[in-house]
Amino acid sequence: QVQLQESGPGLVKPSETLSLTCTVSGDSISNYYWSWIRQPPGKGLEWIGYIYYSGNTNYNPSLKSRVTMSVDTSKNQFSLKLRSVTAADTAVYYCARRDNSAYYEWFDPWGQGTLVTVSS
Amino acid sequence: DIEMTQSPSSLSASVGDTVTITCRASRSISSYLNWYQQKPGKAPNLLIYAASSLQSGVPSRFSGSGSGADFTLTISSLQLEDFATYYCQQSYGTPWTFGQGTKVEIK
Repeated sequence: QVQLQESGPGLVKPSETLSLTCTVSGDSISNYYWSWIRQPPGKGLEWIGYIYYSGNTNYNPSLKSRVTMSVDTSKNQFSLKLRSVTAADTAVYYCARRDNSAYYEWFDPWGQGTLVTVSS
Repeated sequence: DIEMTQSPSSLSASVGDTVTITCRASRSISSYLNWYQQKPGKAPNLLIYAASSLQSGVPSRFSGSGSGADFTLTISSLQLEDFATYYCQQSYGTPWTFGQGTKVEIK
């Protein structure tokens, strides 16, 4: 069964870069698209973007200017970098697999999530 | 962006009740609608995809319906473990967007 695990610093200073990695186990990263989703404390969910093993990406326009995603097939990992962070970027960050059937798409499974706090 | 609006934002119900949550899209999304359940401190869990298809392993008391812009999630015979927050999400077009959530609380 596929499992995802986020890792990275839990505290980032304002104006710096948030960097997270998602390690996939139980399946090859080459078989699917992979997404990042975040949730500010007490708030709803925001899709950040997705990446394919080939490097093809699609980012949320609201974050596109600050986001870079990458994939490392040798380690079965994909990563997120979010530049110039502010307190508004404080959130639980989830990685998730984009699964699909024909043209229907959904997120399953999800990692457990990691809280990233932006503070000096 | 396609805006997703859920109603109500919260509701109180008792074990055994039937609960209905509504999700409305700002434009037609055909059947490209998913439902997730989230418990405190946990990641969301897929319940329903393509508006009405039950994810493997999800109890049959959960059901989804609708197409176009209006959708519903129904929980029949609410169980204690169903008290959680529920989110709809459209996959018609990027950026994929979620509803604001509906919290189901114990009456």
